[in-house]
Amino acid sequence: AIQMTQSPSSLSASVGDRVTITCRPSQGIGDDLSWYQQKPGKAPHLLIYAASSLRSGVPSRFSGSASDTDFTLTISSLQPEDFATYYCLQDYNYLWTFGQGTTVEIK
Amino acid sequence: QVQLQESGPGLVKPSETLSLTCSVSGGSISSSSYSWGWIRQPPGKGLEWLGNIYDVGRTYYNPSLKSRLTISADTSKNQLSLKLRSVTAADTALYYCARYSAVVGVKFFDYWGPGTLVTVSS
Repeated sequence: AIQMTQSPSSLSASVGDRVTITCRPSQGIGDDLSWYQQKPGKAPHLLIYAASSLRSGVPSRFSGSASDTDFTLTISSLQPEDFATYYCLQDYNYLWTFGQGTTVEIK
Repeated sequence: QVQLQESGPGLVKPSETLSLTCSVSGGSISSSSYSWGWIRQPPGKGLEWLGNIYDVGRTYYNPSLKSRLTISADTSKNQLSLKLRSVTAADTALYYCARYSAVVGVKFFDYWGPGTLVTVSS
């Protein structure tokens, strides 16, 4: 099964900061990767799909990108409502794997 | 608007079978454009994919749970079901069902239920 290594596991940031979260798959997955935000007591919420496509209605400060080895979620200017836990999900070849999650906390 | 709602016993004894239902409204589970998944989250921990069902019959399971897990669908009731056999305390979690878009290039879980907490304890 494909493993997803997500980093960091947590980070502290201030409103207005640029935040970057990374996921690295254990093998190639094309662009079969999506990003989710989860707030305490709530179900996850889709932000990005196909590595870099923004879901309709999601603020443009969220973006996704891919390099040869890594996938990145960037929040260009952190807002108070963005403090949450973020997960990547790969869905290559009918076996899904979530990253371990990154908790974004208020500095 | 698609809505999903999980239901089932909140407490299951060790070695027994955990059975959950996901009721779907606002869309048909028979649609070929979507599959339906189960995901769980142990208290204070991350998300774990359990399995997906396509076309009301074709299923894919997490290899670590495959021997204990069955996912099925009842189109007459527009419901999904999950059965996890021989449970232990490690199966204590919040269980979610979610809709998965299955169109090439557009693949994601877009609608989720609120989740149902299952505790495994004697």
